Amino acid sequence: EAGVVQSPRYKIIEKKQPVAFWCNPISGHNTLYWYRQNLGQGPELLIRYENEEAVDDSQLPKDRFSAERLKGVDSTLKIQPAELGDSAVYLCASSLRSQVPIGAFFGQGTRLTVV
Amino acid sequence: AQSVAQPEDQVNVAEGNPLTVKCTYSVSGNPYLFWYVQYPNRGLQFLLKYITGDNLVKGSYGFEAEFNKSQTSFHLKKPSALVSDSALYFCAVSSNFGNEKLTFGTGTRLTIIP
Repeated sequence: EAGVVQSPRYKIIEKKQPVAFWCNPISGHNTLYWYRQNLGQGPELLIRYENEEAVDDSQLPKDRFSAERLKGVDSTLKIQPAELGDSAVYLCASSLRSQVPIGAFFGQGTRLTVV
Repeated sequence: AQSVAQPEDQVNVAEGNPLTVKCTYSVSGNPYLFWYVQYPNRGLQFLLKYITGDNLVKGSYGFEAEFNKSQTSFHLKKPSALVSDSALYFCAVSSNFGNEKLTFGTGTRLTIIP
């Protein structure tokens, strides 16, 4: 079974430019997360989807970040415009909402460098 | 609000010795607890979880963790460390269903010394 797929793996952009990340979750997983992981830190949740609905976006900086999950499958996370402080690894994860928690399965992440 | 504390940024253990990576948590309701491992340039890999039942849970690669409700702890353990266990370890907590908000600790870098 394929895991969570993210692209691109690496991205270098100049500040003030836009950038987008893509995530394909594990087939059948209805919960999708976007996390940001700064160097030497644990992942921090940006947004969580249940199917196509964003049920927790309280940590998403809405002035410059946006996300969508059309049709409740793939998701994109966008930053416009990017700032130097946005340099981090952006992790996508998916899970299956069920009676017995299975935990979240993570993709390899996209390492963003803003210069 | 839920939170996780990993009090040690770095743990060094000699190969073959037992290892412990500490984790304490705070959450409303019943905790669901997870350990993940991260190797360089790799995503987070699931190691084990505690949902309910036996306080000692076993996971991948010979790791186990002990849930202690009174101490609100979920320490990761392994009887005999391998050099290949060197990595960054994250403890995480959620409540209600485990696939709701998953809050991570800051991580502990485990180094196994040959």
